[in-house]
Amino acid sequence: EVQLVESGGGLVQPGGSLRLSCAASGFTFSSYWMSWVRQAPGKGLEWVANIKQDGSEKYYVDSVKGRFTISRDNAKNSLYLQMNSLRAEDTAVYYCARDLTPFIAVAGTPLDYWGQGTLVTVSS
Amino acid sequence: SYVLTQPPSVSVAPGKTARITCGGNNIGSKSVHWYQQKPGQAPVLVIYYDSDRPSGIPERFSGSNSGNTATLTISRVEAGDEADYYCQVWDSSSDPFYVFGTGTKVTVL
Repeated sequence: EVQLVESGGGLVQPGGSLRLSCAASGFTFSSYWMSWVRQAPGKGLEWVANIKQDGSEKYYVDSVKGRFTISRDNAKNSLYLQMNSLRAEDTAVYYCARDLTPFIAVAGTPLDYWGQGTLVTVSS
Repeated sequence: SYVLTQPPSVSVAPGKTARITCGGNNIGSKSVHWYQQKPGQAPVLVIYYDSDRPSGIPERFSGSNSGNTATLTISRVEAGDEADYYCQVWDSSSDPFYVFGTGTKVTVL
């Protein structure tokens, strides 16, 4: 059974940092692009970043470029999101999600499995 | 950036058909995916590549895409279909690359 379990969320002051983790199981993690998607309270879904199977390609939404870093450790079946210089508008539930298609060289397939999310609150 | 527009809400009686639209410039030239999200839960992929259904998704869910509008159709609506629905495309020339629609709340009367 495919499982994605996020952790690392919490309350942080503006300007602070937080590192989210996503533990994957039930599939060959190293074969898939992986994404982070967030959802502000009462709002819609917003894709944040994704990373290629071997970590060689990473893409970000403009609003987090230079502040967030996506990474992965295939030996540990884990996905990460390092978030620096956090702002109030980064407050959201953060989901990790798996691309549908394994082994694909280009990003952009639909997201077929999602974790339950971890809440990040940026407030003083 | 590429914009996907959905109606905020759709109401439907049990047993009837719900149609949720997703408007975007020449969206028919892109692949559209649909997600269902119930309160407090993670999104679930219900339709991908315009009209394909993942395993476990009822045949009552179907999709189409042409011109400037993609449509998710839920036939024989059940109470359990009440949820938010989001369309999504991938556009490597846009920011962000994964573009989600504004979301539609489906209410079963």
